[in-house]
Amino acid sequence: QPVLTQPPSSSASPGESARLTCTLPSDINVGSYNIYWYQQKPGSPPRYLLYYYSDSDKGQGSGVPSRFSGSKDASANTGILLISGLQSEDEADYYCMIWPSNAPLFGGGTKLTVL
Amino acid sequence: QVQLVQSGAEVKKPGASVKVSCKVSGYTLTELSMHWVRQAPGKGLEWMGGFDPEDGETIYAQKFQGRVTMTEDTSTDTAYMELSSLRSEDTAVYYCATPHLTSWGQGTLVTVSS
Repeated sequence: QPVLTQPPSSSASPGESARLTCTLPSDINVGSYNIYWYQQKPGSPPRYLLYYYSDSDKGQGSGVPSRFSGSKDASANTGILLISGLQSEDEADYYCMIWPSNAPLFGGGTKLTVL
Repeated sequence: QVQLVQSGAEVKKPGASVKVSCKVSGYTLTELSMHWVRQAPGKGLEWMGGFDPEDGETIYAQKFQGRVTMTEDTSTDTAYMELSSLRSEDTAVYYCATPHLTSWGQGTLVTVSS
C-alpha cells in the first residue's frame, strides 16, 4: 500500500488547469521534504517533471514546460502538481515521491484524462 | 545528458534468478548512485534499493533483503540488479534510475512463469 495518497483519477478539458494532489501521512510533515513528480505514459518509463520544496527551492526537469509547476498546502499536508493549459499529450499517470531518509516513498499514482 | 540502456526482456521459471543490466553513458557510473525501481503490470512504482553515497553502501528495501543484489562494474559503467528465488509476483518491469530518479532506463520486463 503506497504511503503517499493520490486520487486514482482526475480529468480536465484541454486548455484548462489540472491540480493533482499528494497527501502525506500525518506523521510526515510536507514542509520538511522535497516533493518530486513524475509523468508516465503507457509503455514508457516514468519521466521526471520537477521537485518542489518552496518557492525559493524548486527545480524543473530537463525540457519540462513551465506550465508544470509544484506547490504545497501545509494545512492539508499535501503536495500539489499544477498543470496549466492542458494539452492532449498530458494524458498520463502522475506519481509523487518524497525521499525522507535513504529510501523513497511513492504515491499510488493519478491517472489524468484530458477530455 | 545521462542515458541508461537496460538489457532485454527475460522469461524465468519460479525459483530461478534474473540479472538485469543498466549501461550508463554521458556520465561515469562513479558519478552516479544507481537505484532500481520495479512496476508490476497495472500497478505503481516500487523502490527496490540503491546506492547511498552518504553511507557508501547499497541500501535494499526491506521487502527484497536477502533476495536482491545490486552491483556495479565501473570498468564498463554498467550496473546490475540480480533477483533470486523468483515467484510469479515478481513479474514486472524493472527500471534503473539515477539519484532522485531524475533519469530512467527504458525498463526490462521480467516474466516469471512455469
